[in-house]
Amino acid sequence: DVVMTQTPVSLSVSLGGQTSISCRSSQSLVHSDGNTYLYWYLQKPGQSPQLLIYKVSNRFSGVPDRFSGSGSGTDFTLKISRVEPEDLGVYYCYQGTHYPYTFGTGTKLELK
Amino acid sequence: EVQLVETGGGLVQPGNSLKLSCATSGFTFSTAWMNWIRQTPGKRLEWLAQIEDKSNNYFISYLESVKGRFTISRDDSKSSVYLQMNNLKEEDTAIYYCTYVITTEDWFAYWGQGTLVTVSS
Repeated sequence: DVVMTQTPVSLSVSLGGQTSISCRSSQSLVHSDGNTYLYWYLQKPGQSPQLLIYKVSNRFSGVPDRFSGSGSGTDFTLKISRVEPEDLGVYYCYQGTHYPYTFGTGTKLELK
Repeated sequence: EVQLVETGGGLVQPGNSLKLSCATSGFTFSTAWMNWIRQTPGKRLEWLAQIEDKSNNYFISYLESVKGRFTISRDDSKSSVYLQMNNLKEEDTAIYYCTYVITTEDWFAYWGQGTLVTVSS
């Protein structure tokens, strides 16, 4: 199975600040169709996960441009700029390239 | 508005069975690949099963550790997906979510609120 390793486990950030989360996969996430099925989700406290970024770097509908994704192959990054209170929660990366689909271990974003 | 509502969770003893249901609305269910994902008490997310649409012959995939114990099914006439869980173990304790894929641009974009399954004697 593809192991998705997220770092750090937790982050403390000031409102208005900037931060980034790393996600590394144990094998390349480039699919045979040429796409890279790497996604980012945010789970706010008491809620279900919500999609932020699809296929590495594309913001899902309604996601503010403070969120950006980048990376390729096995190394991926989610950047959050101008952090707002509603950004707090646990961030998960996810791969849909290889069965079984797997999620990262999560990164908790807290306020400093 | 997209809605997914999971039901059927509860407290069950090890070795027993439970069937989860997920009723949906607000999207074209018949073309969606439906999935079940669970979240453990430690907050780990684990993909469990997927059933594709009719055009793909309702092809099914499972996480290896639940294959043979869990069965995913769907009823397009009711826009619902199900998860039959047999021989439950304590490590199956989790919140169970249903979600779906229609395009690779909205992969798991919408989730239900989840249903809690607790396996304990």
